[in-house]
Amino acid sequence: DTEVTQTPKHLVMGMTNKKSLKCEQHMGHRAMYWYKQKAKKPPELMFVYSYEKLSINESVPSRFSPECPNSSLLNLHLHALQPEDSALYLCASSLGTGEISPLHFGNGTRLTVT
Amino acid sequence: KNEVEQSPQNLTAQEGEFITINCSYSVGISALHWLQQHPGGGIVSLFMLSSGKKKHGRLIATINIQEKHSSLHITASHPRDSAVYICACMEYGNKLVFGAGTILRVKS
Repeated sequence: DTEVTQTPKHLVMGMTNKKSLKCEQHMGHRAMYWYKQKAKKPPELMFVYSYEKLSINESVPSRFSPECPNSSLLNLHLHALQPEDSALYLCASSLGTGEISPLHFGNGTRLTVT
Repeated sequence: KNEVEQSPQNLTAQEGEFITINCSYSVGISALHWLQQHPGGGIVSLFMLSSGKKKHGRLIATINIQEKHSSLHITASHPRDSAVYICACMEYGNKLVFGAGTILRVKS
């Protein structure tokens, strides 16, 4: 079992819907990450939060809106998505971005946009 | 040319065989991860290493910083080892650059 918990595991949404993905860790990690993974491709970094502040945004469209309400939680708010946004969305955490530490991944949310 | 190259892309082995997956990189790194991803999505970090060699059970990972090369070895392979194995280079700031992955299938 992973120490990074993502909910929901599966999500189907229409292009006009608003939904949120959630990620939670209780390891005291101060860095949290969102990745997007298309089928048979490696994960692509979307956002990095360090000490609850957004430190990296990899030019992600504004229809994806991250939020870090506290050091244990990371949300990804979704609005007006396109079918090509269907993918596996992975959350990860690490001790911090300023030190070498392993990343711990969640099991992902498989998103389908219809 | 990708910054992180893995080989082979696909690998089929018979149960019990010794398996090697290779990773070459061109970026400057602080550390290198070997990751395992099973169908269904979840990623498990097998090793993080910045020098030398690490061993965990039947898995061994090595890295040569001068040659910018790392290998993942699986001894006495088993069908449950079937998964995608991903080499990911950690740049400074903990940003990961991923290889394309190696799809391993171990037949019984």
